[in-house]
Amino acid sequence: QVQLVESGGGVVQPGGSLRLSCTVSGFTFSSYGMHWVRQAPGKGLEWLTFIKHDASEKYYTDSVKGRFTVSRDDSKSTLYLQMNTLRGDDTAVYYCAKDGGISGACYFDYWGQGILVTVSS
Amino acid sequence: QSALTQPASVSGSPGQSITISCIGTSSDVGGHNLVTWYQQYPGKAPKLMIYDVTKRPSGVPNRFSGSKSGNTASLTISGLQAQDEADYYCCSYEGINSLYVFGTGTKVIVL
Repeated sequence: QVQLVESGGGVVQPGGSLRLSCTVSGFTFSSYGMHWVRQAPGKGLEWLTFIKHDASEKYYTDSVKGRFTVSRDDSKSTLYLQMNTLRGDDTAVYYCAKDGGISGACYFDYWGQGILVTVSS
Repeated sequence: QSALTQPASVSGSPGQSITISCIGTSSDVGGHNLVTWYQQYPGKAPKLMIYDVTKRPSGVPNRFSGSKSGNTASLTISGLQAQDEADYYCCSYEGINSLYVFGTGTKVIVL
């Protein structure tokens, strides 16, 4: 069955960095684009970034552009999110999600369980 | 890019029908038929319920249906059940400041 498992979360000081990983199984990782979505405590969902199946294109929402970088290692079936210059409003549960392959659609058919990132001094 | 606008909560009794609205602009909801709806239980990951405005993935009950008129998309739950009590989020392709934008979220309360 399809599984996505995030890791690398924790507590980090403002201005610090953290790298999240999302290791997948149960599907051909190299054939699908992948997303990161976050949810601040008690708040709604926020789409962050998308990387195409071949890493040829990457997209970011404005609030993380220039600070966060998405990447992937197909040999390890792993998606990454490098987060730099972290701020208090980056505190959230971070989810990785598999793109459903429907062009242009906000179609995330499988999600990880989420990992908490807390930015605090 | 601002989030799409949803009511904070919608309630109904078992067996009734409820509708959740998702208001956007001509740049997102109104610009194409790429609206998706997600269901989320507390502490859990979201689950895809509707895509391309009206389509249901395999396994989603036909009690859930989607529609769109102009810049407003809607999710209707017919024959409301206790297990439908959850948060619901719409999502749309936006493509200007962000690829996708989510709605503010709606808590469905089953009375």
